[in-house]
Amino acid sequence: DADVTQTPRNRITKTGKRIMLECSQTKGHDRMYWYRQDPGLGLQLIYYSFDVKDINKGEISDGYSVSRQAQAKFSLSLESAIPNQTALYFCATSDSGLGPDTQYFGPGTRLTVL
Amino acid sequence: QKEVEQNSGPLSVPEGAIASLNCTYSDRGSQSFFWYRQYSGKSPELIMFIYSNGDKEDGRFTAQLNKASQYVSLLIRDSQPSDSATYLCAVKEAAGNKLTFGGGTRVLVKP
Repeated sequence: DADVTQTPRNRITKTGKRIMLECSQTKGHDRMYWYRQDPGLGLQLIYYSFDVKDINKGEISDGYSVSRQAQAKFSLSLESAIPNQTALYFCATSDSGLGPDTQYFGPGTRLTVL
Repeated sequence: QKEVEQNSGPLSVPEGAIASLNCTYSDRGSQSFFWYRQYSGKSPELIMFIYSNGDKEDGRFTAQLNKASQYVSLLIRDSQPSDSATYLCAVKEAAGNKLTFGGGTRVLVKP
């Protein structure tokens, strides 16, 4: 079983719709992250959470919100989707107590906004 | 804004040769550096991390770090077609514990 899971894996939606992407992990890590990746580009950090009560904005948080429902769950919401939010979205986790705090990624959600 | 720069490629290497990838970063206080491999449409997978100046070897991969010159490199020895992927360099900020990713270098290994 995968340690970091994301649902849905693919989603097509229309402009103006609200959409939620979910991330769950069984690694027992305390830190969780949401990134987006546009074709041919690296990863941009949207939001991150170092524990259940901690939420921080990343470099591109406008138009997004998050919820850390439990240590193992971190969801990303697009309140009113727009076409330039079409991208590949990755959730990642890390353990602050282990060495270099390496991040491990989920399989990704491919989101298309029409 | 902290930056991590990589040549986008593609870097084309013949099978069995050495692929050399470079990454430069702007945050002089950065302490931890990561190399990830990403196949098209898939998630990044950790290859290795390095935090001390010098070389670190893991199988066919060697990471090299030079903090004075603010660059980190990755060597892939005996390159195989299965090494064809995009390689992402990531740098952990000195403050804030966040990773900043470079845009990635696409590597093509030709049989």
